[in-house]
Amino acid sequence: SQQGEEDPQALSIQEGENATMNCSYKTSINNLQWYRQNSGRGLVHLILIRSNEREKHSGRLRVTLDTSKKSSSLLITASRAADTASYFCATFRSGNTPLVFGKGTRLSVIA
Amino acid sequence: IAGITQAPTSQILAAGRRMTLRCTQDMRHNAMYWYRQDLGLGLRLIHYSNTAGTTGKGEVPDGYSVSRANTDDFPLTLASAVPSQTSVYFCASSDGQGNEAFFGQGTRLTVV
Repeated sequence: SQQGEEDPQALSIQEGENATMNCSYKTSINNLQWYRQNSGRGLVHLILIRSNEREKHSGRLRVTLDTSKKSSSLLITASRAADTASYFCATFRSGNTPLVFGKGTRLSVIA
Repeated sequence: IAGITQAPTSQILAAGRRMTLRCTQDMRHNAMYWYRQDLGLGLRLIHYSNTAGTTGKGEVPDGYSVSRANTDDFPLTLASAVPSQTSVYFCASSDGQGNEAFFGQGTRLTVV
């Protein structure tokens, strides 16, 4: 079964607001990654956080990781209409294991 | 710089026919992956390869086969297509060390 589960499945906010998406996973991991997918396109990597990290920033993105709860959150601050997309978390366990994705959160930012 | 290329972009296929989806990368990545994406189900791993000459089964491997004869190419074959294989298929590659994966633009396959 899929490793990650995003929450909520869909989120609609006004431009300028912050968007928070959550990801829960089942087993121990080496790192957790967030990806973005624009409609009809391939996924694009946003940010990677390792299991020994608790928080990471990249521009308007802030990712947290709580390994004790097996959960992560992605915060997009001051959202823009161009942030409208689906967002996926993916987990990497170790060694030769493949990257496993969740079901994604569809974010709609209304101008 | 191409990155990772999939072909065809879209295809309508009669049930029972054989079909090979092509995937090529020019980043010399060791690991390659095939996912299918269906509404409400996210991305599910079909098969993967950690290095040329090796392959592994993912979450939904039935009805699909792969080969990895060299580093660059990772074709996905449907031996006898069925309507439930209607989906968008994504190929991806990574260095195999758990770093970011790069995705192709996808192949939209409809089996009728």
